[in-house]
Amino acid sequence: NAGVTQTPKFRILKIGQSMTLQCTQDMNHNYMYWYRQDPGMGLKLIYYSVGAGITDKGEVPNGYNVSRSTTEDFPLRLELAAPSQTSVYFCASSYRLPSNQPQHFGDGTRLSIL
Amino acid sequence: QKEVEQDPGPLSVPEGAIVSLNCTYSNSAFQYFMWYRQYSRKGPELLMYTYSSGNKEDGRFTAQVDKSSKYISLFIRDSQPSDSATYLCAMSAEEYGNKLVFGAGTILRVKS
Repeated sequence: NAGVTQTPKFRILKIGQSMTLQCTQDMNHNYMYWYRQDPGMGLKLIYYSVGAGITDKGEVPNGYNVSRSTTEDFPLRLELAAPSQTSVYFCASSYRLPSNQPQHFGDGTRLSIL
Repeated sequence: QKEVEQDPGPLSVPEGAIVSLNCTYSNSAFQYFMWYRQYSRKGPELLMYTYSSGNKEDGRFTAQVDKSSKYISLFIRDSQPSDSATYLCAMSAEEYGNKLVFGAGTILRVKS
């Protein structure tokens, strides 16, 4: 019953450092998503993928990159960390279009850029 | 103006009270409406899903959609301390690729 697993749970980065947030799902879902959640702002879509090898930008993609080489994994890459990227990052997956299928979320990665 | 407006709260109620949570939206193209519950330091989980206007009931939870007023509600009957969480509304439209647009979330505290 793993569902969507995100690692790490917490991370502190210095400005200009890079890191990869990992996301794995074991439900054989086609669709995967990365969101960021800032206080009082709700969830904002960063990138999404409709299947292995296919990714597309969401609402706030600047400063991030993604890849989808397998159905299970959807890592999010920060190349040059900036204080504005301090946030809680959630990965989610769904079987089909999110409008008629529930999105299953991981428990998030809390990232601070100092 | 945000596409989806939601009062952040916190909303504090006694155990057993009926809770009403609401969202308003500006885009008339939205046709799928969802409510997610998010416990502290956890990811959101889907509570209710409705398509177009109308009501949907599931146990103590009732979701209502009024597309003419661009207004959706979630009612919780006989509220319990375990209902204390942040409630996020979300909606989508086919013309936007069915990507979800979330409200900011309302913090609910049910006191025993």
